[in-house]
Amino acid sequence: DIVMTQSPDSLAVSLGERATINCKSSQSVLLSSNNKNYLAWYQQKPGQPPELLIYWASTRESGVPDRFSGSGSGTDFTLTISSLQAEDVAVYYCQQYYRTPLTFGGGTKVEIK
Amino acid sequence: QMQLVQSGSEVKKPGTSVKVSCKASGFTFSSSAVQWVRQARGQRLDWIGWIVVGSGYTEYAQKVQERLTIRRDMSTSTAYMELSSLSSEDTAMYYCAAGPFNGGVRAFDIWGQGTMVTVSS
Repeated sequence: DIVMTQSPDSLAVSLGERATINCKSSQSVLLSSNNKNYLAWYQQKPGQPPELLIYWASTRESGVPDRFSGSGSGTDFTLTISSLQAEDVAVYYCQQYYRTPLTFGGGTKVEIK
Repeated sequence: QMQLVQSGSEVKKPGTSVKVSCKASGFTFSSSAVQWVRQARGQRLDWIGWIVVGSGYTEYAQKVQERLTIRRDMSTSTAYMELSSLSSEDTAMYYCAAGPFNGGVRAFDIWGQGTMVTVSS
């Protein structure tokens, strides 16, 4: 199985400041034939289902604010919130969809400092 | 709009089975893949299986492989998850999520509201 490891487990950021979440996979999730990284980021607010933010590691889902961005390739990925807003308080998960089982990271809880 | 609507919460006794439905609307169900994910209270998301709707191909997580069946009914655009031999460890919120499938999945952009399954004697 591909193990997804997120860091940190939680972080507190002041409003308007940058938040950075890391996700590392135990194997590469880059498919060389199409040069795509099979890595998605989801946001989950309390009491709600997850919502897709980013797919192919860096493509923002329609309707997602541009303060959210994804980067990285191979085994190391980053989700960045450029200017944290109050509504961004949530748990963020990465998921690889390169190979089954489609594994998730452990989640990163983002709070306001 | 594109949505998945899941069946209501369930309370089951240990050793019994539960079946959860996930009805799709607003998108081409036959061109999608549907994953099932569960989440115990305060815990991480846990992938348990998926189905490629067009072909009916399924794969399951090893931990539930012997007990889980995922099906779809193309005539009603509904996916189903049935888990047998329930124990307290299966108590969780169960989510279905769909994503476009064209030779491979593109991540899962439509999520159901979740179905709480409680296993208790």
